[in-house]
Amino acid sequence: DADVTQTPRNRITKTGKRIMLECSQTKGHDRMYWYRQDPGLGLQLIYYSFDVKDINKGEISDGYSVSRQAQAKFSLSLESAIPNQTALYFCATSEGQASTDTQYFGPGTRLTVL
Amino acid sequence: AQKVTQAQTEISVVEKEDVTLDCVYETRDTTYYLFWYKQPPSGELVFLIRRNSFDEQNEISGRYSWNFQKSTSSFNFTITASQVVDSAVYFCALSEDHDKIIFGKGTRLHILP
Repeated sequence: DADVTQTPRNRITKTGKRIMLECSQTKGHDRMYWYRQDPGLGLQLIYYSFDVKDINKGEISDGYSVSRQAQAKFSLSLESAIPNQTALYFCATSEGQASTDTQYFGPGTRLTVL
Repeated sequence: AQKVTQAQTEISVVEKEDVTLDCVYETRDTTYYLFWYKQPPSGELVFLIRRNSFDEQNEISGRYSWNFQKSTSSFNFTITASQVVDSAVYFCALSEDHDKIIFGKGTRLHILP
């Protein structure tokens, strides 16, 4: 079984809809991250969490919110989806207390907003 | 501020050729880490290597090798005797002793049969 899972893997939604992307991990890592990937732009950090009580904004948090329900679960929400949020979304985890630790990525969720 | 530049947007080589992917970084810290990730056509991101700023030894893993040169702020990745399965997007990344990793924009590598 994969260590970092994301659901759904693919989602098509309409402008204005609320959508939640979920991430679960079995690695026992404290840190979790959400990134989006757009063609030609690499990965951009949306939010990250050091533990259940610690949530931090990344480079592009506007229009997104997150919830760290447990050490193993980190959800990303789009309260009112818009077409420029169409992208590939990745969840990642890392152990330890430093950002310099290796991050392990989930398989990605491809989101299309019409 | 930290920055990662992968100047090669796309590279195509014929199978069995060697290919080098360039990565140039900017940082003001003396302690930092560099990473390479592979993203095959299936989309997942696969960790390849992590190297700290105090270890300039080159690394070899099978057909993969990495050349870290602090003097030129580069962390280049070479694939020897490339194979079609090496076709992917490759990302270089940098992390200082802060809270996040900065990724380059990636190099799309095509290995032609």
